[in-house]
Amino acid sequence: AQTVTQSQPEMSVQEAETVTLSCTYDTSESDYYLFWYKQPPSRQMILVIRQEAYKQQNATENRFSVNFQKAAKSFSLKISDSQLGDAAMYFCAYRRSPHETSGSRLTFGEGTQLTVNP
Amino acid sequence: DAMVIQNPRYQVTQFGKPVTLSCSQTLNHNVMYWYQQKSSQAPKLLFHYYDKDFNNEADTPDNFQSRRPNTSFCFLDIRSPGLGDAAMYLCATSRDRNAAYEQYFGPGTRLTVT
Repeated sequence: AQTVTQSQPEMSVQEAETVTLSCTYDTSESDYYLFWYKQPPSRQMILVIRQEAYKQQNATENRFSVNFQKAAKSFSLKISDSQLGDAAMYFCAYRRSPHETSGSRLTFGEGTQLTVNP
Repeated sequence: DAMVIQNPRYQVTQFGKPVTLSCSQTLNHNVMYWYQQKSSQAPKLLFHYYDKDFNNEADTPDNFQSRRPNTSFCFLDIRSPGLGDAAMYLCATSRDRNAAYEQYFGPGTRLTVT
């Protein structure tokens, strides 16, 4: 079974600085997707960034970028120029091959609570 | 512009009293999912509908059922809630089951069991 591990239950960063959230995963599959989701307090979870396993290039979305190390099964999220609105719970998630019904399942890590200090 | 709507946002039920949580979507997506998220834990998929086809996760208790009367609506029924069922229940949708398609989440319903 696939597992996702986030070893940092809590992180904090000063406004305008950079922070990196860690994620490791375990799978025997070669074809899968990795995601970072953001869940602000009392608000819905939204997708921050996505990485296809077959792509070597790291995904980037504005201030958010990932460091995807397939061999090491590592998928970290870097937030640059942190803003107060970035404060939230961040979940790393895995989704396997799209060709089977079980591919529908997102497997989440335990989450990292990010605090942004003014 | 709410796309995935969950009602109610907060639900209190008594131990053993059936409860239904509601999810609706304006995206016309084929797939609807229900996740359970207990306090300080990762969301866990309970089941999903691919169109009218129901797909249960192997470890989802029989106490949890779901209905999807049409494309827009999906319901989560808990037949006899126990104290351990207190959690946030998240509804999500996606255009298709292909992993390339994003899952859109609702704000969740927080269920309290007294």
